[in-house]
Parts: sequence; C-alpha cells; structure tokens
Amino acid sequence: GDSVTQMEGPVTLSEEAFLTINCTYTATGYPSLFWYVQYPGEGLQLLLKATKADDKGSNKGFEATYRKETTSFHLEKGSVQVSDSAVYFCALMKAAGNKLTFGGGTRVLVKP
Amino acid sequence: GAVVSQHPSWVICKSGTSVKIECRSLDFQATTMFWYRQFPKQSLMLMATSNEGSKATYEQGVEKDKFLINHASLTLSTLTVTSAHPEDSSFYICSARFPLPGSGANVLTFGAGSRLTVL
Repeated sequence: GDSVTQMEGPVTLSEEAFLTINCTYTATGYPSLFWYVQYPGEGLQLLLKATKADDKGSNKGFEATYRKETTSFHLEKGSVQVSDSAVYFCALMKAAGNKLTFGGGTRVLVKP
Repeated sequence: GAVVSQHPSWVICKSGTSVKIECRSLDFQATTMFWYRQFPKQSLMLMATSNEGSKATYEQGVEKDKFLINHASLTLSTLTVTSAHPEDSSFYICSARFPLPGSGANVLTFGAGSRLTVL
C-alpha cells in the first residue's frame, strides 16, 4: 500500500539555521504531495503542496520539490525562526478517494 | 475561504458517557469529510470517511458502534464517541475536501481538533 516515511525528530536548531526534513513516499500512480504543519495544541494547517513531478511548492519561506525519480518531497527553509517550532507532516493523496496518507511527523524545535 | 470549524475544542467526560464532536465547513459545501485520531506524539490515523447522505466508511480496526458518524448536511459531520473509556482519550481531527478553483486538484482542510479526556 501507499506509505510516507519522514525523518524522525526531534530536530533542534538555532534561529536562522537551515532546516531540511526528508520525506520519501511509496505509491502507485501519480499522487499529490503535501506538507502540513501542526503548532502546539492546534490542528493541521496546509503548508505547501505539489501535484506533479518537478513542481515546487513554497510558502512562508518553506520549499519542497516533487522528485519522482527519487520519490521524495524534502522540506527546506533557509533561515528558521522560533515561531517555526512545530510538528511537520509529509503526506500524499491519490486522486481516487482523496484520502491522505501521513508520515509519522517530525518535531522541530527552534531555539533563540 | 475553506475554513473547517470543530466544536468543542476540548472536552472532559466521565467513563461510560457519550460525547459528540461537530465538524463544520464554514464557507463551502463538503460532500466528504474525514475523521482522524492522533495519539500523543504520533501521526494521524484515518478513522473513517463521512459521506453526506450515506453511511460512513470505516477504516479497518475502527469500531463502527463505538464511533458513530453522521453527515446529515453538506456542511456538518458529527462524531459521537459512545460509552467512552479512558483509552478513547485522544485528539480527534476532522477534515473536509476542498476543490481548488481552476486546478482540478483537491486539498484537505483541517479543523483545529478536539481533545477528549475520559476520566
């Protein structure tokens, strides 16, 4: 079946450091790929998405490129802030059914 | 646009009682909503797919009689945890499918979640 694997956390960084969270997927066909962010005590918010190979999703300084050849969708941000501390989830969606399959989540802690 | 509201945001109940959680799409119609459960420090597990006007589709291992789902209108789905027990304590999150204009793609918009604590 479909699956998403992302690096385990927690990831602890200093403010203004570079952040990378690896995400790889296994799926048949051509899924859409997403990154969601969950701040403490809140639900999930869509951070960015890509619907086809080589698409780059970007939002709030975060970027991720849909790499079909490596089945990856790594999340990057060049300079993190304390407010970026959250749990980040990589997910895929197949067209049929619209169900999201989530990775295990990566907790990021940014220290001042 | 595409806002999903959940209520209550947190609830504490006694063991054996039932609790209802509401999920509303505020500015769009949602024929399909999804209910997830999230254990502490873990990912979201899909519990069921709620379809307006028909029975919900439950994932394997989810008790239908324990977690009652009703999707009576295009903007409201409810999850009722019946005869709740402490092991039902969790963070429940709903989401609704929202079609992106002009792209043909769908995204899922999530509610803020409902934290249930069963004493």
